[in-house]
Amino acid sequence: AQKVTQAQTEISVVEKEDVTLDCVYETRDTTYYLFWYKQPPSGELVFLIRRNSFDEQNEISGRYSWNFQKSTSSFNFTITASQVVDSAVYFCALSESMDSSYKLIFGSGTRLLVRP
Amino acid sequence: GAVVSQHPSRVICKSGTSVKIECRSLDFQATTMFWYRQFPKQSLMLMATSNEGSKATYEQGVEKDKFLINHASLTLSTLTVTSAHPEDSSFYICSANRDSSYNEQFFGPGTRLTVL
Repeated sequence: AQKVTQAQTEISVVEKEDVTLDCVYETRDTTYYLFWYKQPPSGELVFLIRRNSFDEQNEISGRYSWNFQKSTSSFNFTITASQVVDSAVYFCALSESMDSSYKLIFGSGTRLLVRP
Repeated sequence: GAVVSQHPSRVICKSGTSVKIECRSLDFQATTMFWYRQFPKQSLMLMATSNEGSKATYEQGVEKDKFLINHASLTLSTLTVTSAHPEDSSFYICSANRDSSYNEQFFGPGTRLTVL
């Protein structure tokens, strides 16, 4: 069965620190997609990244970077030089190609608090 | 592009009444829409997958007679919470898949339902 685990419930850092949010997934599908979303206090989900299972290249976008490791079924997210505006709940999600609807399975989320 | 709206953004109702929430894809056609529920400090839980012109597919444990979903057009899906009770108070979020062959969901801003 598919499953996404975000073991870190809450993380608190001081501004300018680097922080890594962990995501571990389970799937029997060979083709799947992994996502990260940010949910600020307003509630609206903000899309950050989508990665398919055949692309293990790490990606960097500004202060954000993602490390996809199929060998450990992990898709970790790092924020460098964190800022107060990064404070939010971050969700990792999985979608399997076997499911033609492409429904998303979300992890439990990690609440990040960046203190000034 | 790829904007999804929800209406209303917030609703307060009395116990026993029915509430309808609309989800619209504003600048694209969505053959598939999804409805999620999020309780405070919890993750998003998929309630149902809505396909235009056909019956919705409900996740296990979701009462289809209580949460009526209609996807009458390629740009509109509605969720009606019938005979709402305080335990139905939650944040309801919809998403729309722009292209059935491409895994890309766009999320609405959410509707906060409070049942008194």
